[in-house]
Amino acid sequence: KAGVTQTPRYLIKTRGQQVTLSCSPISGHRSVSWYQQTPGQGLQFLFEYFSETQRNKGNFPGRFSGRQFSNSRSEMNVSTLELGDSALYLCASRSELMRSPLHFGNGTRLTVT
Amino acid sequence: AQKITQTQPGMFVQEKEAVTLDCTYDTSDPSYGLFWYKQPSSGEMIFLIYQGSYDQQNATEGRYSLNFQKARKSANLVISASQLGDSAMYFCAMRESLETQGGSEKLVFGKGTKLTVNP
Repeated sequence: KAGVTQTPRYLIKTRGQQVTLSCSPISGHRSVSWYQQTPGQGLQFLFEYFSETQRNKGNFPGRFSGRQFSNSRSEMNVSTLELGDSALYLCASRSELMRSPLHFGNGTRLTVT
Repeated sequence: AQKITQTQPGMFVQEKEAVTLDCTYDTSDPSYGLFWYKQPSSGEMIFLIYQGSYDQQNATEGRYSLNFQKARKSANLVISASQLGDSAMYFCAMRESLETQGGSEKLVFGKGTKLTVNP
């Protein structure tokens, strides 16, 4: 079974631009979550999607948004980029079994200059 | 609010020895799950082991075991027979409200412990 796939692996953007990151979950997983990882704040929950609906959202500004498609693939978008948005963005999927863990992708490393 | 504390920013261990990575948590929810993940320098988060709050026995997965002390709210990871490939960041995380199957998913992570295995 293929794991969680995130594209691209690396991105360099300029302040004020917007960016879209993509995530393909493990086949059969309908829950997709996004996390931001920075040296200062650590790993922080962004949002979770299940069957194309946002089911939970972390404490991030409205510039951070996401969506999920009918095939469970997910995208997250960050508009009006700020220097502080530089981070590793991790996508994860899981099955609906109660004890199932999150399975993470390799992440997208975003650098904002 | 749930919280995870990992008090060891860095740990060193000799190859083939055992090491314990500490994790304490805080929650008022009686139903929760605790996870440990490994993050090598490549960035991918690798799931290691899971412990449910109602589990009667400590979880084990190969060389990984979890020393779960519910009254103390601690869930320490024990790695036996350390290998050079175990050098990585290790994160403890918690998910609350497991009683609703298929319920909303959110993990709270600790700051992590950087483990270095010396030859």
